[in-house]
Order: sequence, then structure tokens, then C-alpha cells
Amino acid sequence: GAVVSQHPSWVICKSGTSVKIECRSLDFQATTMFWYRQFPKQSLMLMATSNEGSKATYEQGVEKDKFLINHASLTLSTLTVTSAHPEDSSFYICSASEGQGGTDTQYFGPGTRLTVL
Amino acid sequence: GQNIDQPTEMTATEGAIVQINCTYQTSGFNGLFWYQQHAGEAPTFLSYNVLDGLEEKGRFSSFLSRSKGYSYLLLKELQMKDSASYLCAVSHSNDYKLSFGAGTTVTVRA
Repeated sequence: GAVVSQHPSWVICKSGTSVKIECRSLDFQATTMFWYRQFPKQSLMLMATSNEGSKATYEQGVEKDKFLINHASLTLSTLTVTSAHPEDSSFYICSASEGQGGTDTQYFGPGTRLTVL
Repeated sequence: GQNIDQPTEMTATEGAIVQINCTYQTSGFNGLFWYQQHAGEAPTFLSYNVLDGLEEKGRFSSFLSRSKGYSYLLLKELQMKDSASYLCAVSHSNDYKLSFGAGTTVTVRA
């Protein structure tokens, strides 16, 4: 149980294009989904928290107009990197929780490796 | 805010035991998680502690002391497949978010 999928697994795009990443909870309803970014040999940095049907809450320093998050249903959240640039190249990981987070375990998707040329 | 400290690297031999320490400072504590992350993959859940004491799960055990702001993950009977990064993450009570330590890279040698 508690499987989270992400699509695509990896993507290479040209600078200036937009990329959409999907995160799905396959066997449970995710009240809360989290989006993280991880640079090589660094830990996960939380970008934003999203709850189904409401606007995402972004961490300080994360541009909400650049990283668009939509949590359309209890099993799907999407992250769109708009006008991507090489510095946006990173490993993007989502996680899903049945509750608000906190004591509820977050289950992670397999990650999406984004390379912007 | 959160300060979460764990060693950067550890090396051990197959069959041995390794203990990964994690210390934290937080304004509101709601539990501590340990995750395993292999290179290029997403983290997988290992354990969760919210009360003081030891939680044992097969070859892996996790300990928490809330008064000391301290946890450790104990890996027994090490196998080559245990070579990975181990992340300590603290949940804080005011906003339910997780803050991650930088991770400890464990290398298991034959």
C-alpha cells in the first residue's frame, strides 16, 4: 500500500519552455501533497504544500508564479515549471499524506529529474 | 526554525552494525522520521518516533529522546544493499511540515 507515482521520470527541455510534472497517490486519498526539490548531494528542500481544492502554500523564496501547483483531486497534484531555465535543473520529488502531514507519514514518489538546456 | 544535524558519511563492513545519530532543535516537535534514499531515487520510509524510546523493525531500529533532541537509527547485520543516504526528518507541530537533515551517506564494504 501507500504507493505514489510521478510522471515523467525524467525530462529534458529547452530553456524557456514549461514542464508539467504529475504526482498521483495510487492506493490512498492524499489530503496533502508536498513538492520538494533536491540538488545533487543535498537534502530535500520543501517548495510548497498543497491541499485538495485549495491554493498551495509556498515556502519562502519559492516563486509561486514560476512553480504552479494544482491539487485537482485527492489523488492528483501537478507541478508546472514555467519558463524553465538551466538553474531549474534538479530532482523534483512529491510526497503524499493521508492527513495534513505532521504525524502522518509522507510517502514519496520516485522523483522527476529535470534537465533544462 | 529547525536545526537538524547528522554526520555526512559513515563506512562499515558487511555484517556489522552502524548507528547514525541525529540531533535537532525545533520550536514545536511532532515526531521524527527516518528515510532511506538510494542515489537517484526518492526516499523510502523507514521509521517514525514520537515518544521516547526504541522502535525496532527487523534489522533497523530507531531511538528517540525528546528531552535531549536526539535520535539515532541503528542498522544491524549490514548488507551491501544498505549502502544509501539516510535522512533524518523532523515534523513540527505548528505547520505539519517536515524538515530534513542533509543526510548521512552509508557505504557498506565487503
